[in-house]
Amino acid sequence: NAGVMQNPRHLVRRRGQEARLRCSPMKGHSHVYWYRQLPEEGLKFMVYLQKENIIDESGMPKERFSAEFPKEGPSILRIQQVVRGDSAAYFCASSPRTGTGDGYTFGSGTRLTVV
Amino acid sequence: TQLLEQSPQFLSIQEGENLTVYCNSSSVFSSLQWYRQEPGEGPVLLVTVVTGGEVKKLKRLTFQFGDARKDSSLHITAAQPGDTGLYLCAGAGKYNNNDMRFGAGTRLTVKP
Repeated sequence: NAGVMQNPRHLVRRRGQEARLRCSPMKGHSHVYWYRQLPEEGLKFMVYLQKENIIDESGMPKERFSAEFPKEGPSILRIQQVVRGDSAAYFCASSPRTGTGDGYTFGSGTRLTVV
Repeated sequence: TQLLEQSPQFLSIQEGENLTVYCNSSSVFSSLQWYRQEPGEGPVLLVTVVTGGEVKKLKRLTFQFGDARKDSSLHITAAQPGDTGLYLCAGAGKYNNNDMRFGAGTRLTVKP
């Protein structure tokens, strides 16, 4: 009974490289959310996706960042040409289709370090 | 954007003390949730409150949802070192009950 799986747990990238963060939601969950967390801070909403649809990307920077949740496979958060300011913990959460307000199940996060 | 303000931002107390942390907004929420996050891990859901004035108890933790569904509080009785963590509140946003936006959190340290 796997929860939300994120990989990798830790990712180191040099400035200018691309970072790909993966999130496999809980079985049966079709809503996926990505959040960014800086040290000593709370969670900042980035994007909300359903299968093959971006519902709300209002929290995502307009440039270099993109997200997808294909029909098959994990959700991907992609950061192109990373800069030091992108260093943060990125959390993915999922929830069931029916939208009962029962809360999110979070993954353990990917800690991105840009050197 | 619905903003949730949490206070205090930091709280350090001795084991056995009681404490209350707050989550306030100018917006009305259909539901509000509390999470606890430990270092290096993702947040874990503690409780969901839905009805204005609702009070829920989880062992030594008491959660209250304001009558107007704009604010909430978390009270911990006889705090223990294991309660140490970041406490986050989250309110249901504009798309459906699962579109949650988070406050910045209260970082609690309980010293033995």
